[in-house]
Amino acid sequence: GENVEQHPSTLSVQEGDSAVIKCTYSDSASNYFPWYKQELGKRPQLIIDIRSNVGEKKDQRIAVTLNKTAKHFSLHITETQPEDSAVYFCAASSNNNDMRFGAGTRLTVKP
Amino acid sequence: EAEVAQSPRYKITEKSQAVAFWCDPISGHATLYWYRQILGQGPELLVQFQDESVVDDSQLPKDRFSAERLKGVDSTLKIQPAELGDSAMYLCASSPDPGVDTQYFGPGTRLTVL
Repeated sequence: GENVEQHPSTLSVQEGDSAVIKCTYSDSASNYFPWYKQELGKRPQLIIDIRSNVGEKKDQRIAVTLNKTAKHFSLHITETQPEDSAVYFCAASSNNNDMRFGAGTRLTVKP
Repeated sequence: EAEVAQSPRYKITEKSQAVAFWCDPISGHATLYWYRQILGQGPELLVQFQDESVVDDSQLPKDRFSAERLKGVDSTLKIQPAELGDSAMYLCASSPDPGVDTQYFGPGTRLTVL
C-alpha cells in the first residue's frame, strides 16, 4: 500500500518569511495529493490539492509542487502570518481511494 | 455552507464498554470515510463506503470495530469492547463521488478510554 512520509515534523518561522513542507510517497499509482490544515481541536481543512497531470498549483500565498519522477510534493507558504500557525498534513491517494496521510508538520509563525 | 456532522463530540468510557459514533455526511455525498487520528499523528483510514457498500475496510480491526451505513446516508462506527489503545480522535469525511477527490471532514469525536 501507499506510504507517505512528511518532514519536518516541526517548523518555526518569523512572520513574513516563507515556509516549505515536503512529502514523499511510495505508490506510483497515486494521482491525487491534497494538503490539509488542522488547528488545535478543529477539523482538518483542505487548503490546496494537486493532481498528477500538473506540476504546480498556486492559490494566493499557497503553492504546491509535484515531482512524479521523484515521488515527492511540497507545500510552499509565502509571507507567513501568525494565523498560518497550525498542523499541516499531506496526503496521497489513487482516485480518492485509500487516502494515506503524512504524520503532520507543526508550523509556528512568530510575530 | 454544508458541513459533515458528527456526534458526540467527546466520549469518555471505561475499557471493555461499548461505544458508538455517528456521522452525517454532506447531503448528496455518496462516499463516506471513517478515520482514526492518534494524537500527534495523521489520520488513518479505517473504512470507506460508497453509498451503503463497504469499499475498503482493510485497516479496520474487525474483531472489535464495526461500521455500517444502512441507507447510504448517515453512518455509525462501533467499538466493542473498547481498549485503552482506542483513545483517539475519530474523524468522518465525505466526498461527492469516487471520481471527485476532495474529502470534507467533520469535527470528530474525541474518545478517551479509562
